[in-house]
Amino acid sequence: SQQGEEDPQALSIQEGENATMNCSYKTSINNLQWYRQNSGRGLVHLILIRSNEREKHSGRLRVTLDTSKKSSSLLITASRAADTASYFCATGTQGAQKLVFGQGTRLTINP
Amino acid sequence: ETGVTQSPTHLIKTRGQQVTLRCSSQSGHNTVSWYQQALGQGPQFIFQYYREEENGRGNFPPRFSGLQFPNYSSELNVNALELDDSALYLCASSPRGWETQYFGPGTRLLVL
Repeated sequence: SQQGEEDPQALSIQEGENATMNCSYKTSINNLQWYRQNSGRGLVHLILIRSNEREKHSGRLRVTLDTSKKSSSLLITASRAADTASYFCATGTQGAQKLVFGQGTRLTINP
Repeated sequence: ETGVTQSPTHLIKTRGQQVTLRCSSQSGHNTVSWYQQALGQGPQFIFQYYREEENGRGNFPPRFSGLQFPNYSSELNVNALELDDSALYLCASSPRGWETQYFGPGTRLLVL
């Protein structure tokens, strides 16, 4: 079963706009990660935020984590056509070997 | 590119058959995890191998089995294939205890 719920399931915006995706999860976590997947192929790691962090930046990406609400958001600023992909949040828990993924958000950037 | 490779890229099997999928981990990574991703869903953890031993398993039946070799490459074997086994199978490698996993391109399996 999936740990998280992602919202929205699909998002379509114009190039240059910002895209925000949200992820909620159910259990206590050690870290939360965001991955990108192009056209049903392999996943690419984007960013990791630990449970004791509230915000993290990497280039055009900004991730927030609210452990009290068990939720995270991924913001992509100044979107580009190449950002078109599916985005997944994944949670890691202390001592567990697995990542537990949400169902993903399908992002489409229109030129 | 992560340096994780998988073979084959695509595979078609019939119900009841057996299949073996292969994964070569990124250099220096001694832990390999396998995930199943059904169409339109997020990946689901099958199991993980570390130093040739299973090191955690998800909610998959015993007909899903695996191996890890001394060079850290890995195989996923699925017996008695069912239609619902049709999915993208992803392999991911990492150093032991590393939180981030590095995924291969996947093998797309279709069971008819």
